[in-house]
Amino acid sequence: QVQLVQSGAEVKKPGASVQVSCSTSGYTFTNYYIHWVRQAPGQGPEWMGRVNPSSGDADYGQRFQGRVTMTRDTDISTAYMEVHSLRSDDTALYYCARLSGDRSEAYWGQGTLITVSS
Amino acid sequence: EVVLTQSPGTLSLSPGERATLSCRASQSVSSDYLGWYQQKPGQAPSLVIYGTSNRAAGVPDRFSGSGSGTDFTLTISRLEAEDFAVYYCQHYDSSPPWTFGQGTKVEIK
Repeated sequence: QVQLVQSGAEVKKPGASVQVSCSTSGYTFTNYYIHWVRQAPGQGPEWMGRVNPSSGDADYGQRFQGRVTMTRDTDISTAYMEVHSLRSDDTALYYCARLSGDRSEAYWGQGTLITVSS
Repeated sequence: EVVLTQSPGTLSLSPGERATLSCRASQSVSSDYLGWYQQKPGQAPSLVIYGTSNRAAGVPDRFSGSGSGTDFTLTISRLEAEDFAVYYCQHYDSSPPWTFGQGTKVEIK
C-alpha cells in the first residue's frame, strides 16, 4: 500500500532552517509529484510547492519562493522540504502529499509539527 | 489564481440532519479539478469527493458533490457522528497546482 512517512517534530529558533523528510513506499516514486502543504494552527491548508521526483525540478507558491527548497533522493524514495530564515508565523503542521493520476486517490503523510520559538 | 470561498464558516447540526456546504470559485473552473476533503482533529485531510461529484474509495453514499462553473456543493444527506469535522474544497490547476478554501466546520448542535 502507498505510504508517506514524515520525520518527527522539531523546535527551532527564529532565523534557523529546518528540513522535513517524506519517505515513500508502495509505488514508483518517480511517477508522481510530491506536494508540500502547511497548516497553521486553526487555519486551512496552504500549498507550498511541489517537486518532480523524476527530474528534481520544483516549483513554489509565491509566498514561499526564495525561502523554501524542495529536493528528493530517488535512491531512497524520499522527498525533502527545507524552510530557511524561520519566523514565528512558520509554526505549523507540514504535510507531504500526492495524488493519483486521475485525482481519485490522495495520500498524505502524517504531518510534521514545526515550532518556531525563541 | 483561483480563490475558493467556503460558506458557512460553521454549520451547527444534529445527527440525522442534512448538511449543505458551499464552495465558490473566483473564476470558472473545470469540474474535473474540484475536490473536497474532510479533516478531523489531529489527522491529515482525507479525500471525500474528486472531480466535483465522484466519491473517493470507501466514502459512504450519504456524501455527494455537485456544481459547475464557480459554484460547488458538498451535501451530507444524514449526518452521522463520524461526519462532524472540518471540510475543505480544493482546486487543482497549473498555477498554483493546489488551492484550498478556508474550510467549513460541521459541529454537533
